[in-house]
Amino acid sequence: DSGVTQTPKHLITATGQRVTLRCSPRSGDLSVYWYQQSLDQGLQFLIQYYNGEERAKGNILERFSAQQFPDLHSELNLSSLELGDSALYFCASSVAGTGGFYTFGSGTRLTVV
Amino acid sequence: AQKITQTQPGMFVQEKEAVTLDCTYDTSDPSYGLFWYKQPSSGEMIFLIYQGSYDQQNATEGRYSLNFQKARKSANLVISASQLGDSAMYFCAMREGYSGNTGKLIFGQGTTLQVKP
Repeated sequence: DSGVTQTPKHLITATGQRVTLRCSPRSGDLSVYWYQQSLDQGLQFLIQYYNGEERAKGNILERFSAQQFPDLHSELNLSSLELGDSALYFCASSVAGTGGFYTFGSGTRLTVV
Repeated sequence: AQKITQTQPGMFVQEKEAVTLDCTYDTSDPSYGLFWYKQPSSGEMIFLIYQGSYDQQNATEGRYSLNFQKARKSANLVISASQLGDSAMYFCAMREGYSGNTGKLIFGQGTTLQVKP
């Protein structure tokens, strides 16, 4: 157990639907990162939060949004889902906002049908 | 733009032999960090080794070592005495320098390693 908890582990949903992925960072970590891993795009950085505030944004679609709550857990919301959104979504956490070592969660595998 | 390139989509190695996985990077920032991760078929991302741009010596962690050649912008992973459990996808990644004020990682496309008994 890495200490980073992602739920659910698997999710199957239909096109056009909306889902929420949840991440609890390792105890003491203030930064949360979201990554998308797909066959065609590889591992892509989506967004980073540090202590409740957005720190960096990557190639995140407008249909996607995220937030980090006061207890530091984070949620990634994916809406108007398309087949191409099928991917493994990773959450990672670190103590610092600008570096340090990541701890990855085990990922949420999203399948859009 | 920062970029990580892994040119070997797949590799085979005989058990107990050493193998080198290639990684080249591109950045204009003098301060950066280089990482290697292992992703077995179960999907989790496992941190293997880290090299900072100002580190004088090549990083080593058990059977893993990083062959860091700064002038050539390469950071190859060397796995010694390969084991069957080393069969996995391996990713090279780079963290932007501190001027970027973020901890995001840029990943290469990965290399699939298969260890033969």
